[in-house]
Amino acid sequence: EVQLVESGGGLVQPGGSLRLSCAASGFSFSNSAMTWVRQAPGKGLEWVSAISGGGSNTYYAGSVKGRFTVSRDNSKNTLFLQMNSLRAEDTAVYYCAKHSSYYGSGNYVRFDSWGQGTLVTVSS
Amino acid sequence: QSVLTQPPSASGTPGQRVTISCSGSNSNIGSNTVNWYQQLPGTAPKLLIYNSNQRPSGVPDRFSGSKSGTSASLAISGLQSDDEADYYCAAWDDSLNGYVFGTGTKVTVL
Repeated sequence: EVQLVESGGGLVQPGGSLRLSCAASGFSFSNSAMTWVRQAPGKGLEWVSAISGGGSNTYYAGSVKGRFTVSRDNSKNTLFLQMNSLRAEDTAVYYCAKHSSYYGSGNYVRFDSWGQGTLVTVSS
Repeated sequence: QSVLTQPPSASGTPGQRVTISCSGSNSNIGSNTVNWYQQLPGTAPKLLIYNSNQRPSGVPDRFSGSKSGTSASLAISGLQSDDEADYYCAAWDDSLNGYVFGTGTKVTVL
């Protein structure tokens, strides 16, 4: 059974940093691209970032490019999201999700398993 | 800032058929397949339809998807009370080089 467990969320001041983790199990982690999706309170889903199975290719939404960095440790089956220069509008539940393929981009991108999410609140 | 547009709400009585539209552009739906996700209240999203019209294992055949040009739609037939949820379309966008979600549609069973 695929399991994705996010951690690292919490309260941070504007301009601060936070690192999210997503521990994966139940599938071949290194063969699957991974993604972060966020959902602001009462709002819709917003894709944040993706990384290919090997970690060499990364993709970002325009709203976080230059501030967030996605990475992975395939030896520990863990996905990360380093978030810097946080803003109030980054407040959201952050979900990690598993892609159905190795590649992080393109026509056949889809997310077939999701974690339960971790809440990030940016406020003074 | 969603680039895929959905109606904010849809409703029907038990047993009815409900259809949700998703409007995009040549760079997303016009070029790539569409996925649909279901988000039940208080839970994480779940993949409902992929490759525009395919159902993952375990998804009832009451759910169906279609795509034409730069638009897609999700149909729910035989509406049930536990279909009350938010539904999102999504696709890769070649211009943005990123994945885009629709604005979301809340389905209510009357």
